[in-house]
Amino acid sequence: AQRVTQPEKLLSVFKGAPVELKCNYSYSGSPELFWYVQYSRQRLQLLLRHISRESIKGFTADLNKGETSFHLKKPFAQEEDSAMYYCALSLIKAAGNKLTFGGGTRVLVKP
Amino acid sequence: GAGVSQSPSNKVTEKGKDVELRCDPISGHTALYWYRQSLGQGLEFLIYFQGNSAPDKSGLPSDRFSAERTGGSVSTLTIQRTQQEDSAVYLCASSSYRGRDNEQFFGPGTRLTVL
Repeated sequence: AQRVTQPEKLLSVFKGAPVELKCNYSYSGSPELFWYVQYSRQRLQLLLRHISRESIKGFTADLNKGETSFHLKKPFAQEEDSAMYYCALSLIKAAGNKLTFGGGTRVLVKP
Repeated sequence: GAGVSQSPSNKVTEKGKDVELRCDPISGHTALYWYRQSLGQGLEFLIYFQGNSAPDKSGLPSDRFSAERTGGSVSTLTIQRTQQEDSAVYLCASSSYRGRDNEQFFGPGTRLTVL
């Protein structure tokens, strides 16, 4: 069965500092990887997905199949980046595209 | 247009009672998902609908949990004989499920508290 691991429950950084959220997955097939974000009092929303290869709000993530990782990075954190971040996986070509989530990382950006 | 909506936003019930949670997906979205967000288990998949049928119910934790979807739109998640461990935020998501355009859009959730 597939599994997603986010080793850090909390990341606290100062504004302007780089931030990296780690995500590792286990699955032998071809997964699709996502980062979802939940800002305070807002609903869960998609931040980015590996197939898009795009940068959203200054965040990037690269799928490393050798290390089975999909770490999220931003070179200069902003206070508005404070939120809960979830790494998620779905199985390409599998019926349903259900998401398997990691445990989440809370990011706190201090002024 | 309107996003995914869920009702009620909060539900407090007594152990042993039945509860119904409702999800209104984005109009035209054929795929609908239920997830549960709890302190101990994180975010976990419960059930997936494509149209009115549920090809994947693998995440339902027990036979006290059931769900249905009617008219390819509204879905109801029913929990019978609620237990304290059912306390969680229940999230619904919908997707257009067209090829690679499979982004799931989430509702605000229903917070269920079982006393």
